[in-house]
Amino acid sequence: NAGVTQTPKFRVLKTGQSMTLLCAQDMNHEYMYWYRQDPGMGLRLIHYSVGEGTTAKGEVPDGYNVSRLKKQNFLLGLESAAPSQTSVYFCASSYPPDGYTFGSGTRLTVV
Amino acid sequence: QQQVKQSPQSLIVQKGGISIINCAYENTAFDYFPWYQQFPGKGPALLIAIRPDVSEKKEGRFTISFNKSAKQFSLHIMDSQPGDSATYFCAASMRIYEDTGNQFYFGTGTSLTVIP
Repeated sequence: NAGVTQTPKFRVLKTGQSMTLLCAQDMNHEYMYWYRQDPGMGLRLIHYSVGEGTTAKGEVPDGYNVSRLKKQNFLLGLESAAPSQTSVYFCASSYPPDGYTFGSGTRLTVV
Repeated sequence: QQQVKQSPQSLIVQKGGISIINCAYENTAFDYFPWYQQFPGKGPALLIAIRPDVSEKKEGRFTISFNKSAKQFSLHIMDSQPGDSATYFCAASMRIYEDTGNQFYFGTGTSLTVIP
């Protein structure tokens, strides 16, 4: 099994550009999450989904949108990128009560 | 507000020594406490986890000690090796999946360096 796959792995955006990060899992997990990781701040939850067609805001949702049209996919969108969104983004999925399976991350730089 | 507080931020240990990382929480609804290990350029990976009905769990050189009354838990790495050099995150979650989506609340991470 591939587990959780994130694409792309790296991306450089100019301020104001938009992009979509894709997360795909093949474990039939109901729950999926998007986190951002910044130095000294750990992992902060952006949005999450408890099932196909559902999404909810996490700790730091501003500037991001998400969609879960298919159970296996969770998309994170940046409509107008800002330098403050420079970060490493991790997608994860879970089947409660077990822990998360993380993807390998997307390193995004906004210039 | 940080739901899970982790210390220290960084740790340097000699090969063969014991590495100890501590975490504290406030929410007594938390009932699952995992530790994640992250190598540079990789996503976090589940290392070991504990539930509050036991005070200790050991898997190889890794042990979680859990103190329910103090609301603290810690990771002990015995006989630390250079290959253990990584960032370690503690986390906590609660069972109310419908409300929280099984959210995990992470500590800020500890960068461990094991010197040969």
